Amino acid sequence: DVKVTQSSRYLVKRTGEKVFLECVQDMDHENMFWYRQDPGLGLRLIYFSYDVKMKEKGDIPEGYSVSREKKERFSLILESASTNQTSMYLCASRQRDTGELFFGEGSRLTVL
Amino acid sequence: AQSVSQHNHHVILSEAASLELGCNYSYGGTVNLFWYVQYPGQHLQLLLKYFSGDPLVKGIKGFEAEFIKSKFSFNLRKPSVQWSDTAEYFCAVILNAGNMLTFGGGTRLMVKP
Repeated sequence: DVKVTQSSRYLVKRTGEKVFLECVQDMDHENMFWYRQDPGLGLRLIYFSYDVKMKEKGDIPEGYSVSREKKERFSLILESASTNQTSMYLCASRQRDTGELFFGEGSRLTVL
Repeated sequence: AQSVSQHNHHVILSEAASLELGCNYSYGGTVNLFWYVQYPGQHLQLLLKYFSGDPLVKGIKGFEAEFIKSKFSFNLRKPSVQWSDTAEYFCAVILNAGNMLTFGGGTRLMVKP
């Protein structure tokens, strides 16, 4: 089974702090994604990566950056957290032949 | 820009009732279509997908969806829901075999026992 593991299930940070969210997948997928999930808005794509060191902005990249130094790991970085970044963050990796996304369990971030 | 609309934000049904959740997308080109489900406290998982061929696709747990190209729709159906179907359901679309999956806003389904 594909496994996508997010490092933290729950985080509480203060405004202005730097936040790292890490995601690891074990199926050698090239494509990895970071979404945020908010009630009524569904999932919105922040960034995705189609290979090591390759990244592309999604629909809402402002205030975020990403890092993909190794194929299995895709990190989301909030340089200076703000209260409007309080959300559930979901990482996913994509199986090339079927197009299916496999999701992690999510990281719920609260910024005070 | 491409968009995906799920018109029902909240649905409440009794067990054994039939279910239909609407999904419409705004792009007229080639699309790949998905329904994902998120049970309380769990991660998103794939219910079913459509890439090509028979427009009526069957997924896990008795769910099915029909792709109607002329209506830009991919509605999810189940003839008889169970309490365990209580979850949030998301429709998603990929354009032209690209990389970016666009999600709808989700529908919260509550099934009363």
